Amino acid sequence: NAGVTQTPKFRILKIGQSMTLQCAQDMNHNYMYWYRQDPGMGLKLIYYSVGAGITDKGEVPNGYNVSRSTTEDFPLRLELAAPSQTSVYFCASSLGGQANTEAFFGQGTRLTVV
Amino acid sequence: AQSVTQLDSQVPVFEEAPVELRCNYSSSVSVYLFWYVQYPNQGLQLLLKYLSGSTLVKGINGFEAEFNKSQTSFHLRKPSVHISDTAEYFCAVEAGTALIFGKGTTLSVSS
Repeated sequence: NAGVTQTPKFRILKIGQSMTLQCAQDMNHNYMYWYRQDPGMGLKLIYYSVGAGITDKGEVPNGYNVSRSTTEDFPLRLELAAPSQTSVYFCASSLGGQANTEAFFGQGTRLTVV
Repeated sequence: AQSVTQLDSQVPVFEEAPVELRCNYSSSVSVYLFWYVQYPNQGLQLLLKYLSGSTLVKGINGFEAEFNKSQTSFHLRKPSVHISDTAEYFCAVEAGTALIFGKGTTLSVSS
């Protein structure tokens, strides 16, 4: 009964480094999302996907890339890490469609860029 | 465009007191509303949701919320809080393909 699994839980990056945040779900959900959470700002949508092979930008996509080659996986890529990307990142999934957007969240990845 | 505003960033209360966390929404179409809770160092967990039907929605852990279309509100209430309710609470609205979240309200329950 894993739900949404994110790895790693914590990571420290140096400015300019790159990394991939992994996200996997085992609920056969069509929709997957990446949010970032900053103190006092709530959650901001970075990217989302409505199915394998389909991705789209959210509110704050700059500096990030995603891919969705399978239904289960939705990795988030940071190419050139910047201090502004220090945040907690949450992956979520949902069945999709109106009235089915109840999202199930992973435990988060706490990223620090120094 | 849909949006939500959480009117209080922090709400301190004493144990066994009632609490209300306020949320107003903006939407020009049919609205689906959610409350999520985030305990320290954890992901978000669904408390309750309003999709249609009865305007009073009951959720987990004794929480309930009332959908008020005329006041565009979806306030969260609990008649008697416990120390374990200390957490951050997020109101969210469905926006087509994703949820739009408010900035959150930190509920601090003390004895």
